[in-house]
Amino acid sequence: EVQLVESGGGLVKPGGSLRLSCAASGFIFINAWMNWVRQAPGKGLEWVGRIKTRSDGGTTDYAAPVKGRFIISRDDSKNTLYLQMNSLKIEDTAVYYCSTLSDYTMGYWGQGTLVTVSS
Amino acid sequence: EIVLTQSPGTLSLSPGERATLSCRASQSVSSSSLAWYQQKPDQAPRLLISGASSRANGIPDRFSGSGSGTDFTLTISRLEPEDFAVYYCQQFSNSPPRYTFGQGTTLEIK
Repeated sequence: EVQLVESGGGLVKPGGSLRLSCAASGFIFINAWMNWVRQAPGKGLEWVGRIKTRSDGGTTDYAAPVKGRFIISRDDSKNTLYLQMNSLKIEDTAVYYCSTLSDYTMGYWGQGTLVTVSS
Repeated sequence: EIVLTQSPGTLSLSPGERATLSCRASQSVSSSSLAWYQQKPDQAPRLLISGASSRANGIPDRFSGSGSGTDFTLTISRLEPEDFAVYYCQQFSNSPPRYTFGQGTTLEIK
């Protein structure tokens, strides 16, 4: 059974940093492109960014609102995906989901972790 | 940048009725990159349809997707109580790579 478990969310002040983790199991993580999606309270889904497999170059792509502030990485030895969030803004407040990414679609999702940016 | 517009914003129907949800793109998109997701309150989204018309594993056959170009449709043939949720369409475009979601359609019990 595929499982994705996010952790690391919490309350942080504007300008602060936070690192989210996503522990994966039930599939071959090293072969999976991975993704972060967020959802502000009461709002819709917003793509944050993706990371390819090492065999596909391991490159990352980001949505415009987070580019230059957020960094996605992966540790294939630990089956874990990360989202380093820097220079956080109030508008970054959201539930952050990790998901698998295959053929343009997000097949499996974690349960999400809440990040609140507030003074 | 491609914008996905879903309609209606809210759809009120009764169990057993047919639901038709629309997703319109601001410019033509590849059918292979169009997906639909279902999200229930306090749950993560769930993939329903990929490639505009292929049901994901375990998705009942009352869910179907269709369309091409700029107009895509998710149809639920006979609503079950568990189908009342929010539905999102999503597409991928390159240059630069980005994934875009529609704003969602809320399917509520009438």
